Amino acid sequence: ETGVTQTPRHLVMGMTNKKSLKCEQHLGHNAMYWYKQSAKKPLELMFVYSLEERVENNSVPSRFSPECPNSSHLFLHLHTLQPEDSALYLCASSQDRTGGIDTQYFGPGTRLTVL
Amino acid sequence: AQSVTQLDSQVPVFEEAPVELRCNYSSSVSVYLFWYVQYPNQGLQLLLKYLSGSTLVKGINGFEAEFNKSQTSFHLRKPSVHISDTAEYFCAVRSFGNEKLTFGTGTRLTIIP
Repeated sequence: ETGVTQTPRHLVMGMTNKKSLKCEQHLGHNAMYWYKQSAKKPLELMFVYSLEERVENNSVPSRFSPECPNSSHLFLHLHTLQPEDSALYLCASSQDRTGGIDTQYFGPGTRLTVL
Repeated sequence: AQSVTQLDSQVPVFEEAPVELRCNYSSSVSVYLFWYVQYPNQGLQLLLKYLSGSTLVKGINGFEAEFNKSQTSFHLRKPSVHISDTAEYFCAVRSFGNEKLTFGTGTRLTIIP
């Protein structure tokens, strides 16, 4: 595997379900990101982790809970979601978020549908 | 604060014709600028970026963009498009001292055979 991978690629869940999205990067990067991509809206940065420590949380509702057990893996735990949370969730990684202009590399995304 | 405006949500172009996708940004300080492409059912891929130096930046797949500070623009161009260029294109800005990347709403490029 190369680059950034995400599983599952598609997920349908009810509002009372609990599920998790997984992201893995094979690039040796130190920073990882979760973005939400909704139709007709700009990408929204949700969370940023640097060296496994959360460094940014952009006022995301608590029904989204991130976890970064190591620099290669990032999870997004979902519970009691709302239909408006349906979107494409993108994971990205970069060498470092401090200093320099590091390119963010994106995974293919998880298409989430909340019924 | 920084922001990005992509004026065209959709651009249809005939195959082998030239194309320009427009991007304007706003920032009170100097910026770094990026263009990303998203092919159907895929994540975003970096096309090119402007950090400093020459204002004309060349990227992958024959695309190029020109940074115009006076007009606060970073338009993306390709002299001759191909069917495989059908995708959504996103402009993004990052201001000096701000680690956050702000994206535009995207432009869907459709190539007409």
